[in-house]
Amino acid sequence: KQEVTQIPAALSVPEGENLVLNCSFTDSAIYNLQWFRQDPGKGLTSLLLIQSSQREQTSGRLNASLDKSSGRSTLYIAASQPGDSATYLCAGGSGGGADGLTFGKGTHLIIQP
Amino acid sequence: DTAVSQTPKYLVTQMGNDKSIKCEQNLGHDTMYWYKQDSKKFLKIMFSYNNKELIINETVPNRFSPKSPDKAHLNLHINSLELGDSAVYFCASSHGSGTSGPYNEQFFGPGTRLTVL
Repeated sequence: KQEVTQIPAALSVPEGENLVLNCSFTDSAIYNLQWFRQDPGKGLTSLLLIQSSQREQTSGRLNASLDKSSGRSTLYIAASQPGDSATYLCAGGSGGGADGLTFGKGTHLIIQP
Repeated sequence: DTAVSQTPKYLVTQMGNDKSIKCEQNLGHDTMYWYKQDSKKFLKIMFSYNNKELIINETVPNRFSPKSPDKAHLNLHINSLELGDSAVYFCASSHGSGTSGPYNEQFFGPGTRLTVL
């Protein structure tokens, strides 16, 4: 059974800093890893999808990596902005069951102006 | 254009009632899902539905039943609502499921906040 853990649970940094959000998973048979952001009272916005054969994906100021052997993924945010403030969720797909994603509990990020 | 939409956005009802939440996707996806986000913001899969095959998370009570009139819709019907059913319910969709690939990227709707009194 896949379990996903995100560290830290909360993070507050000044604007302009580069930062790293961490995600770990227990089942190395993961086939996709997806990063989302969730704004308060809103739905989930997909940020990046990393397939099991890939090691990283980039979109603008975001870079996500995947290391299946160590069971880890990181989301790197460059030059953080107040608009980046949100909860970031990591989710892994590893088949079986309802074939849905298994989510971590998220990192609540605040970027101070 | 909204990719995955849900109605209603908010639903307040009494214990014991039966209610439905509707979900529609205009992405041409083959697989749809229902997730529950509890009061601690933890998201868990409830169902996935692909080519008329329903896969149920074993922890979901049988009071919950998804109904798919066609490939673009997956509605969630809940019987005999309980206080513990209060949560935000998210619908999602993807092209496929269960294998690696960009086609399995999941896209989520805005959520339906259900409050049972």
